[in-house]
Amino acid sequence: SQQGEEDPQALSIQEGENATMNCSYKTSINNLQWYRQNSGRGLVHLILIRSNEREKHSGRLRVTLDTSKKSSSLLITASRAADTASYFCATDGENDKIIFGKGTRLHILP
Amino acid sequence: EAQVTQNPRYLITVTGKKLTVTCSQNMNHEYMSWYRQDPGLGLRQIYYSMNVEVTDKGDVPEGYKVSRKEKRNFPLILESPSPNQTSLYFCASSPLLSGWSTDTQYFGPGTRLTVL
Repeated sequence: SQQGEEDPQALSIQEGENATMNCSYKTSINNLQWYRQNSGRGLVHLILIRSNEREKHSGRLRVTLDTSKKSSSLLITASRAADTASYFCATDGENDKIIFGKGTRLHILP
Repeated sequence: EAQVTQNPRYLITVTGKKLTVTCSQNMNHEYMSWYRQDPGLGLRQIYYSMNVEVTDKGDVPEGYKVSRKEKRNFPLILESPSPNQTSLYFCASSPLLSGWSTDTQYFGPGTRLTVL
């Protein structure tokens, strides 16, 4: 099956540093979304970027989208302990299916 | 409060015993979906629905059924559960935009299912 891939699979950084996660996908998309999940809990929507947009900001989050490379990045600036979570990208593409990546586990060190 | 609810939150059952996990949303969303989440595999879409009486298979539909008789409800049915269906299940809903693309998905709290 077609599926997005996040990179890296796991990331540990010091509090205050910036964290960057990447997502690649395979099909054309309508939009791409990033979600956060704290251990074993439901997913929380972070940001949606449409296929005709290249960059979007929300608070400490910055998302870019490069449809020619079929990739997106999520940047979290000035990381905090509360940012420790798993982060997933999800694409809404062909046939209206939603495809999630396998996620990046982010750990913020005190 | 706008929300997606799932019941039960936890369920332990035995192989072959039919079960239903309910999902309900109060946001009048057209799009609803079921996912399963397994370690190392992320979330995989089981079934989705664009509107009442319209359902489609996701990536891993085998062993599952759904129905969408009302806009707010989207139950997941396991007619004959097997141990490989032990997983964490999430229901989600989303409005549909013009052009039939989804918007922000709102997720339920999850149902942890164990099939013995």
